[in-house]
Amino acid sequence: DTGVSQNPRHKITKRGQNVTFRCDPISEHNRLYWYRQTLGQGPEFLTYFQNEAQLEKSRLLSDRFSAERPKGSFSTLEIQRTEQGDSAMYLCASSLDSAGVTDTQYFGPGTRLTVL
Amino acid sequence: QKEVEQNSGPLSVPEGAIASLNCTYSDRGSQSFFWYRQYSGKSPELIMFIYSNGDKEDGRFTAQLNKASQYVSLLIRDSQPSDSATYLCAVNPLMDTGRRALTFGSGTRLQVQP
Repeated sequence: DTGVSQNPRHKITKRGQNVTFRCDPISEHNRLYWYRQTLGQGPEFLTYFQNEAQLEKSRLLSDRFSAERPKGSFSTLEIQRTEQGDSAMYLCASSLDSAGVTDTQYFGPGTRLTVL
Repeated sequence: QKEVEQNSGPLSVPEGAIASLNCTYSDRGSQSFFWYRQYSGKSPELIMFIYSNGDKEDGRFTAQLNKASQYVSLLIRDSQPSDSATYLCAVNPLMDTGRRALTFGSGTRLQVQP
């Protein structure tokens, strides 16, 4: 059972450029989440997919951010016209829909974005 | 008021002692609660979850939940230097709202002194 994988692990870009990150969830997991984490803070929710449907988006997700999960498997997160404030660790997590109360999310290694 | 509050620490304990990490949350309807460990520069790693009032034990870890007081804690027995990390408390909202996002606290940094 491989875990959540994310690529690239590090990305350095210049302000104004577009970047795209990829997340591959745990294979049987149908829910996929994106979070952003800055230094000294806990992860902040960005968006969530159940299969290919994007069901929830945070107010943090400005119109420069877009996420897709076209076939309900991997997901991409694109940031257009990057700003220095976008510098953060972008975390992907996945979980398996179950009838129980818990929705246990497992995180990937993250993509660290630095905007110069 | 932040939705999930944790003391940022650092909490320093000697090796072999019990470390007690605390978390309070504001949404009274929250249903499940998670503890993650995060080493510097790494991603969060799930330790355990709890959703019923009382204690839940898993090895050296015990999670405690008191919904009336909106309080959840994590005890680490026989603390080891390898337990030195930031511990994140996360809260899942009411499941019937359709929301699934976790709300995290800012984390408590634990230092276990050899």
